[in-house]
Amino acid sequence: DIQMTQSPSSLSASVGDRVTITCRASQSISSYLNWYHQKPGKAPNLLIYAASSLQSGVPSRFSGSGSGTDFTLTISSLQPEDFATYYCQQSYTTPLTFGGGTKVEI
Amino acid sequence: EVQLVESGGGLVKPGGSLTLSCAASGFTFSNYNMNWVRQAPGKGLEWVSSISSSSNYIYYADSVKGRFTISRDNAKNSLYVEMNSLRAEDTAVYYCARDPRYCSTTSCYPDYYFDYWGQGTLVSVSS
Repeated sequence: DIQMTQSPSSLSASVGDRVTITCRASQSISSYLNWYHQKPGKAPNLLIYAASSLQSGVPSRFSGSGSGTDFTLTISSLQPEDFATYYCQQSYTTPLTFGGGTKVEI
Repeated sequence: EVQLVESGGGLVKPGGSLTLSCAASGFTFSNYNMNWVRQAPGKGLEWVSSISSSSNYIYYADSVKGRFTISRDNAKNSLYVEMNSLRAEDTAVYYCARDPRYCSTTSCYPDYYFDYWGQGTLVSVSS
């Protein structure tokens, strides 16, 4: 199985900050990497697919980059509604696997 | 508007069984692969199972293989998972989630990510 490792597991930031979350795959997954965020008690929401494609309706302050084993999610200017937990997920092969999550806190 | 509504969760004893349902609307259900993803309390996300649009391809996580059975009824726009031999570690919120790839044929390789999710249904396995 492909292991997905996110870092950091949590971070504290302020509104307006630039935030970067990293995700590393245990083997090359090309660009088959997706990002979600999840607020407490809610379902996850797709932000980025195929490493760098912005899902329809997602604000442009979110961006993704990377290929192979190393990936990055960047929030250019953190907004109050962005405080949530972020997950990466590989779609290279089954079993589909998620990273452990990064909690972004105030 | 795409909507996925799960139902069927509840409290069940270890070794028991439960069937979850997911009612889909707002899209042509029969043209999309579907998935179950779960989340144990306070934990991360875990993919459980995938089923192709015409049910000819089915995959399971090792943690549920042999105990869970995914199925769908395209005439009823519904997705199911039958869960048997339930264990405490199966306690989780179960989400149904859509694969974004539109499948116009029965041979359709999915995108293997999730663009729409239901609100989830809680399954608690405890004596």
